[in-house]
Amino acid sequence: DAGVTQSPTHLIKTRGQQVTLRCSPKSGHDTVSWYQQALGQGPQFIFQYYEEEERQRGNFPDRFSGHQFPNYSSELNVNALLLGDSALYLCASSLPGDNQPQHFGDGTRLSIL
Amino acid sequence: AQSVTQLGSHVSVSEGALVLLRCNYSSSVPPYLFWYVQYPNQGLQLLLKYTSAATLVKGINGFEAEFKKSETSFHLTKPSAHMSDAAEYFCAVSRPGGSYIPTFGRGTSLIVHP
Repeated sequence: DAGVTQSPTHLIKTRGQQVTLRCSPKSGHDTVSWYQQALGQGPQFIFQYYEEEERQRGNFPDRFSGHQFPNYSSELNVNALLLGDSALYLCASSLPGDNQPQHFGDGTRLSIL
Repeated sequence: AQSVTQLGSHVSVSEGALVLLRCNYSSSVPPYLFWYVQYPNQGLQLLLKYTSAATLVKGINGFEAEFKKSETSFHLTKPSAHMSDAAEYFCAVSRPGGSYIPTFGRGTSLIVHP
């Protein structure tokens, strides 16, 4: 049973560019959340997708956008990259329900030069 | 609003010694509480969760945590540390009754000496 898979594992971009990160949820999970984890910090919630709709959003600018596909996989898009966007981006999937723990992928390490 | 404070960014113990990682929460309603572990270059793995059942929660790898409402705490313990326990540990809180969005603490790095 495959867990949460993310691609790519590492990515290097320059300021002003755009990036797309991808996530496939754990089998049977239909809810996908994205987090940004800066070095030495805990994960910060970006947004959550359920039934192809953005259900909740954290305190991130509109440069951060996402999408969920009918097969529940998801993409995170970031436009006009800034140096401060350098971080580990984590995808987590879960079953619906408010006490369902999230299962995390290994993340995409994004470095902005 | 909800928040989590993890006391101590680094905790150092000897192999075989007791592990105690501290977590205090703030929540306007009875919370759900979680501990996650993160090994280098990996995502987070759930250790245990408290969802208003038994206050002493047992998790994987010999870890356990006790919910103490009077102290607003959810400290993580393990009787005997192993070298493989060296990792980053995150406490998280979420609010029941809504979409599950946990708020994470800043993490505590556990260092285990031989």
